[in-house]
Amino acid sequence: GAGVSQSPSNKVTEKGKDVELRCDPISGHTALYWYRQSLGQGLEFLIYFQGNSAPDKSGLPSDRFSAERTGGSVSTLTIQRTQQEDSAVYLCASSWQISRIHEQYFGPGTRLTVT
Amino acid sequence: KQEVTQIPAALSVPEGENLVLNCSFTDSAIYNLQWFRQDPGKGLTSLLLIQSSQREQTSGRLNASLDKSSGRSTLYIAASQPGDSATYLCAVDSGGGADGLTFGKGTHLIIQP
Repeated sequence: GAGVSQSPSNKVTEKGKDVELRCDPISGHTALYWYRQSLGQGLEFLIYFQGNSAPDKSGLPSDRFSAERTGGSVSTLTIQRTQQEDSAVYLCASSWQISRIHEQYFGPGTRLTVT
Repeated sequence: KQEVTQIPAALSVPEGENLVLNCSFTDSAIYNLQWFRQDPGKGLTSLLLIQSSQREQTSGRLNASLDKSSGRSTLYIAASQPGDSATYLCAVDSGGGADGLTFGKGTHLIIQP
């Protein structure tokens, strides 16, 4: 079946603009995760959803970042007033549910460049 | 705070060799450990997941072992092929899925034809 999809694949934006990144998880997966991969920083966890609920938003880098999920499916990560340090690849993953035994499956990522 | 380290950072070997990639983590209270590969410009592909109660998992030419008490995992690749060239990432789940995965910085592997 179809894997995790993300759009856009690439986004170039000017500093100060808002951007919205989209993630479509694997059908039936209730858990959804957002990560950021920065050059030299590795992969860092941002936020997860169980259904439409995000119990812990403390991993988001600043209050300019927000995320939502609707209908237990599609999720959007919004970055307001983008800064150059926001430039990174944003990866989304999904799994069957939040549990210790289920693998996370990753999408191809959105490469964000803030100029 | 969990920290994951991967050694070596880069490795280049001739085709056909068997090789071992190493991963260590600071907090042994993990639920599982996953190995991924990442090709340039691509997302992550899950290779193996080892639950905390398991010692190893095998898939084809790949074998991953886990020693939770010592905070170590190894990924063994048998009979390496040029198509195995990629970055290999180790990640641990310390929160039962609820805290996301903590990743190492990866081993960049090149298999020379």
